[in-house]
Amino acid sequence: DVKVTQSSRYLVKRTGEKVFLECVQDMDHENMFWYRQDPGLGLRLIYFSYDVKMKEKGDIPEGYSVSREKKERFSLILESASTNQTSMYLCASSPLQGGTEAFFGQGTRLTVV
Amino acid sequence: GENVEQHPSTLSVQEGDSAVIKCTYSDSASNYFPWYKQELGKRPQLIIDIRSNVGEKKDQRIAVTLNKTAKHFSLHITETQPEDSAVYFCAASDSGYSTLTFGKGTMLLVSP
Repeated sequence: DVKVTQSSRYLVKRTGEKVFLECVQDMDHENMFWYRQDPGLGLRLIYFSYDVKMKEKGDIPEGYSVSREKKERFSLILESASTNQTSMYLCASSPLQGGTEAFFGQGTRLTVV
Repeated sequence: GENVEQHPSTLSVQEGDSAVIKCTYSDSASNYFPWYKQELGKRPQLIIDIRSNVGEKKDQRIAVTLNKTAKHFSLHITETQPEDSAVYFCAASDSGYSTLTFGKGTMLLVSP
């Protein structure tokens, strides 16, 4: 079974804190993604990476950064958390070739107070 | 970039009825169209997908159709059951980096 594991299921952070969300996959996938899920807005792509140390902006990168030091690990960083970043964050991975299934982690529900 | 529109946002049916969810996309380069099901509190999981060289694909009670000319694709669920209740997302992707652009989701409620 493909496993995509996010480090936390629930997080509560204070405004202005630096927040790290971690994601690990065990299928040797090249691609990794961070999505944000909000009611009525679906899943929106924040950043993705197709190789170690490579990153590409998605549709809503403002206020976020990412790090991929190892192939299996992709981190999402909120440099200075704000209340409008309260959301469900989903990590996903897929093989490099296009037209293939993306596998999702269980999600991290982040609340910024 | 790609834009995916999905309708309806909510759909209520009686058990045994059929359900249809429709999506349109904007980028003619898109060639992969998956559908994900997300049950309450769980992660999205792929239920069926279709590629641009195919017009229809079936898997038991679910089917997907694709009209490339009109840039729309649809999910059909027949003989719905209460366990089909979930949020369904359509998505589109080109063959580049495999980034998926999702629709906003359809909440399907199947009443016994």
